[in-house]
Amino acid sequence: QKEVEQNSGPLSVPEGAIASLNCTYSDRGSQSFFWYRQYSGKSPELIMFIYSNGDKEDGRFTAQLNKASQYVSLLIRDSQPSDSATYLCAVDPTFISNFGNEKLTFGTGTRLTIIP
Amino acid sequence: GAGVSQSPSNKVTEKGKDVELRCDPISGHTALYWYRQSLGQGLEFLIYFQGNSAPDKSGLPSDRFSAERTGGSVSTLTIQRTQQEDSAVYLCASSLEEDINNSPLHFGNGTRLTVT
Repeated sequence: QKEVEQNSGPLSVPEGAIASLNCTYSDRGSQSFFWYRQYSGKSPELIMFIYSNGDKEDGRFTAQLNKASQYVSLLIRDSQPSDSATYLCAVDPTFISNFGNEKLTFGTGTRLTIIP
Repeated sequence: GAGVSQSPSNKVTEKGKDVELRCDPISGHTALYWYRQSLGQGLEFLIYFQGNSAPDKSGLPSDRFSAERTGGSVSTLTIQRTQQEDSAVYLCASSLEEDINNSPLHFGNGTRLTVT
C-alpha cells in the first residue's frame, strides 16, 4: 500500500461547480496535511494545510480532514478554468516537534480539468 | 523577493556522463530539500539539508547520487554515470525553518533531466 494515495484522474468538472479531490494515507500517526497545486511544467505551490479534524476554509478552497478514516480532501467551490492543474496531497508521516527531521510524503496527484 | 532558482532548466545528457544540478534557495532559508518527479509519479524525496549538513540522505537512490551545500545557501546535486532511469524533473525546495509545520516549502521550477 502506498503511503499517500490519490486518484490520478483526470477529473473533469464544469465551470462553476464544486471540485472534490480526495487523498488517503496509511500512517495513522500523521499529523500534518498539505495540498499543493502544480500547473503543467511548473513547480508545486502550497494551497492549504490542515492539522485538525474538520474543515478549514480559505476563499474558494476548503480542506477537510478525518483522521479516524485517514483521509483528507480538498473542495474547490465555483471552479474556474484557472483551477485546471494537478493537485498533490502531501502528508507529514510523523509529527516531530521543532528541529525534527521532517519530510513530506507526496501522492502522485490528481489532474483536474475545469470545463468552460 | 526572488524565489528558489534552479539551473539549468533543461539538461540532456548521454548515458554514462556526470551531471550537476544547481539550486539557489530563497535568501535566509535554512532548510533545503531535493525531490525528484518522474512522469506520472509523485514527488520522491532525495535529500534534505539544514544549513550545510545533511541529516537525512535516505532518499538518494544509489551511490551515484550525491549532494552538497556550501555557505548555507547554494546546493548542488550531482549524478555520476547517469542512467536512463535517472530521467526526471529534479525539484529543489527551501523553507525558512526545518519545521515544515511552521514554514512551508517553496519550490523552484525544477531541472528537467533527460538521459539518452
